[in-house]
Amino acid sequence: ELKVEQNPLFLSMQEGKNYTIYCNYSTTSDRLYWYRQDPGKSLESLFVLLSNGAVKQEGRLMASLDTKARLSTLHITAAVHDLSATYFCAWGGNRDDKIIFGKGTRLHILP
Amino acid sequence: DTEVTQTPKHLVMGMTNKKSLKCEQHMGHRAMYWYKQKAKKPPELMFVYSYEKLSINESVPSRFSPECPNSSLLNLHLHALQPEDSALYLCASSQDFRRSVGPGNTIYFGEGSWLTVV
Repeated sequence: ELKVEQNPLFLSMQEGKNYTIYCNYSTTSDRLYWYRQDPGKSLESLFVLLSNGAVKQEGRLMASLDTKARLSTLHITAAVHDLSATYFCAWGGNRDDKIIFGKGTRLHILP
Repeated sequence: DTEVTQTPKHLVMGMTNKKSLKCEQHMGHRAMYWYKQKAKKPPELMFVYSYEKLSINESVPSRFSPECPNSSLLNLHLHALQPEDSALYLCASSQDFRRSVGPGNTIYFGEGSWLTVV
């Protein structure tokens, strides 16, 4: 059975600090997605990672994928309050269109 | 146009009602999804259509009935729902997984339909 595990599930951090969210998955795949969700809103696509070693950066966020370790990370550099949100990783199947979400990381950045 | 449009935005229905949620995209995507999301939980996959055929049903109760009339439209028909079915219902679309490598491979989500069953 597929498992997509994120940690931590809750993260409260000070502005200016760095932190990493981890996403482990149990079934090998080359497709991994990161989304942001603000309260009461839909999902905003952040990154699409499609190969081993893929690294993508946008502003203070950087995502990477290690398919051998079945691990993706979302790194936050010098956090700012505007990054407070829930972040989800999502696993995409290699054999079908199934997309399964991790439980999400609720990030709260203190000013 | 990278938009997935969902209607209605809000729906309140009784347990004996029949209603439908609608979803539309014009990106030429061949995979379309329904997800259910409860408060403070991740989206849960319900159904996937690939090339207008139902390819994945995650053991969803029959009171939810999906339909894909054409490649741009996806409906979710609702009948005899329970209060615990109240949630945000999200539609999404993407290239099918065989074509997911390359430009335009993002999965786009609509704004969602907030459903309350009373």
